Amino acid sequence: GDSVTQMEGPVTLSEEAFLTINCTYTATGYPSLFWYVQYPGEGLQLLLKATKADDKGSNKGFEATYRKETTSFHLEKGSVQVSDSAVYFCALLYSGGYQKVTFGTGTKLQVIP
Amino acid sequence: NAGVMQNPRHLVRRRGQEARLRCSPMKGHSHVYWYRQLPEEGLKFMVYLQKENIIDESGMPKERFSAEFPKEGPSILRIQQVVRGDSAAYFCASSPPSEGETQYFGPGTRLLVL
Repeated sequence: GDSVTQMEGPVTLSEEAFLTINCTYTATGYPSLFWYVQYPGEGLQLLLKATKADDKGSNKGFEATYRKETTSFHLEKGSVQVSDSAVYFCALLYSGGYQKVTFGTGTKLQVIP
Repeated sequence: NAGVMQNPRHLVRRRGQEARLRCSPMKGHSHVYWYRQLPEEGLKFMVYLQKENIIDESGMPKERFSAEFPKEGPSILRIQQVVRGDSAAYFCASSPPSEGETQYFGPGTRLLVL
């Protein structure tokens, strides 16, 4: 079955550090890939997405590239801020009639001043 | 355009009571999904509905859980005879009619069973 694997957290970084959160997936076919962010006590917000191989999704300084050859969708940001502290979920969704989003377990990011 | 709305945001029930969670999708969205997030875990798919139809309920527990999305009004996730293990955050998402469209999530209902 489909699955998404994320690096375990928590990840603790100092402000302005470089961020990478690894995400790999297993899927039969060509899903769309997403990163969602969840701030404490809130729901999930769509951060960015990519719908086909080599697409790069970007938003708010975050970016991720859909790598079909390595089945990966790693999240990166060049300079994190304290306000980026949250849980980040990698996810996939098929466009072939299977509408359920499959989520990774989430990676908690803590950014300290 | 208002986002996905869920209410209540917090719900406390005693064991054996019923819990009703409501979800209003974004305007123009006719597909609704329910997910459950247990503490310290990711979200797990429960059910996918279109207006008046359950399309996929493969993630729903076979007993005590039911969902509907009537022609008029919000989608309802109903949990009968709640148990402590039902304590979780329940998230609703909606998407436009086309398949494979991005799902947008509501703020969730946090259910606590005492």
